[in-house]
Amino acid sequence: ETGVTQTPRHLVMGMTNKKSLKCEQHLGHNAMYWYKQSAKKPLELMFVYNFKEQTENNSVPSRFSPECPNSSHLFLHLHTLQPEDSALYLCASSLFFGRPEGETTEAFFGQGTRLTVV
Amino acid sequence: KQEVTQIPAALSVPEGENLVLNCSFTDSAIYNLQWFRQDPGKGLTSLLLIQSSQREQTSGRLNASLDKSSGRSTLYIAASQPGDSATYLCALEGGGSNYKLTFGKGTLLTVNP
Repeated sequence: ETGVTQTPRHLVMGMTNKKSLKCEQHLGHNAMYWYKQSAKKPLELMFVYNFKEQTENNSVPSRFSPECPNSSHLFLHLHTLQPEDSALYLCASSLFFGRPEGETTEAFFGQGTRLTVV
Repeated sequence: KQEVTQIPAALSVPEGENLVLNCSFTDSAIYNLQWFRQDPGKGLTSLLLIQSSQREQTSGRLNASLDKSSGRSTLYIAASQPGDSATYLCALEGGGSNYKLTFGKGTLLTVNP
């Protein structure tokens, strides 16, 4: 257990469905991340939230909509996805995003949600 | 743009063998480097983090080294065990104002009993 919990662990959805992925951490971290892991590709950073504010959006299509209501929770809202969006979606957290006062920013990852779009 | 390469893509060894996994990167302006382990269909577990000012870090049977000038890091696993079977990923945090992690594709390690 890394302290970062993702639900659900598996999700199958049709292209017209709307679903949400949830991530929760109680590590006292201020930064939370969504990553996408597709077969035979490196992890791709999607979004970064630092102190509940979105600081990074790596040109992610609008059918992926993140939400960060507080520093402990992060959601990824999904709608009208495509089959190529099928992947493992990983949430991570770290103490900060950026390096105030030279702090180390070790990342802790959740177990991921395996998403299949049919 | 930082590129991270991990060689080999897959490695199979008998139990008890010492082994080295390699990670190379194109931009030496990094802040730190992390090695992660990922079991099939699971998330990532952080193994070791090396700051750019450090040369190596050790944890149990694992030793990670960093040579910024040559753009290389190695993860040494001593006396490998079947439970070490997993994918090992290296990731670099950029230097300057680039705080994002750039990942390699990983090395799939299989340790045979």
